[in-house]
Amino acid sequence: RKEVEQDPGPFNVPEGATVAFNCTYSNSASQSFFWYRQDCRKEPKLLMSVYSSGNEDGRFTAQLNRASQYISLLIRDSKLSDSATYLCVVNKASSSNTGKLIFGQGTTLQVKP
Amino acid sequence: GAGVSQSPRYKVAKRGQDVALRCDPISGHVSLFWYQQALGQGPEFLTYFQNEAQLDKSGLPSDRFFAERPEGSVSTLKIQRTQQEDSAVYLCASIGRGGTDTQYFGPGTRLTVL
Repeated sequence: RKEVEQDPGPFNVPEGATVAFNCTYSNSASQSFFWYRQDCRKEPKLLMSVYSSGNEDGRFTAQLNRASQYISLLIRDSKLSDSATYLCVVNKASSSNTGKLIFGQGTTLQVKP
Repeated sequence: GAGVSQSPRYKVAKRGQDVALRCDPISGHVSLFWYQQALGQGPEFLTYFQNEAQLDKSGLPSDRFFAERPEGSVSTLKIQRTQQEDSAVYLCASIGRGGTDTQYFGPGTRLTVL
């Protein structure tokens, strides 16, 4: 079983739709949580960190449930430019400075006009 | 400023050849990571350096894989006697001391073994 599991999709949604991605992680010692975005043939880039209290950045909302070991990402009012692969990422260390990142397989989003 | 750079961007090797992949981290970044990303998968950790010290190499798939960072800046990932299953994108990431949680990734080297 993979340490971080995501539904690979693809999720095909119309512009303006709201879409939610989920992921689960198996290691309860995980300390830091992130969503990365990866465009086709490009490197992963940090989208946002995820906190238990939940955090929002514009149209993006991330949530962490430590008890269920579950992470979510909600995208409101989808834009064509949101089309990408979204990677759920965990890190056992309290800072990525000292720990390796564990990536999920990624969930592919395709926003259509 | 300049980000993480990697070279070559693309490498085609015949099975059995040795290859060397280079990573130039962001200047002053202490920690450096190598990841392997197979097609359709997320990146998988290979190895980690703090300055010149290789603190974790648990992800290296076999003894054909070797990484070094002799002066604590540029790093080289070497793969000996390449096999077809080594075909993947090799990503390098770096992070500074006491910085944010962000690992900055380079563009990767796409290795194809024929």
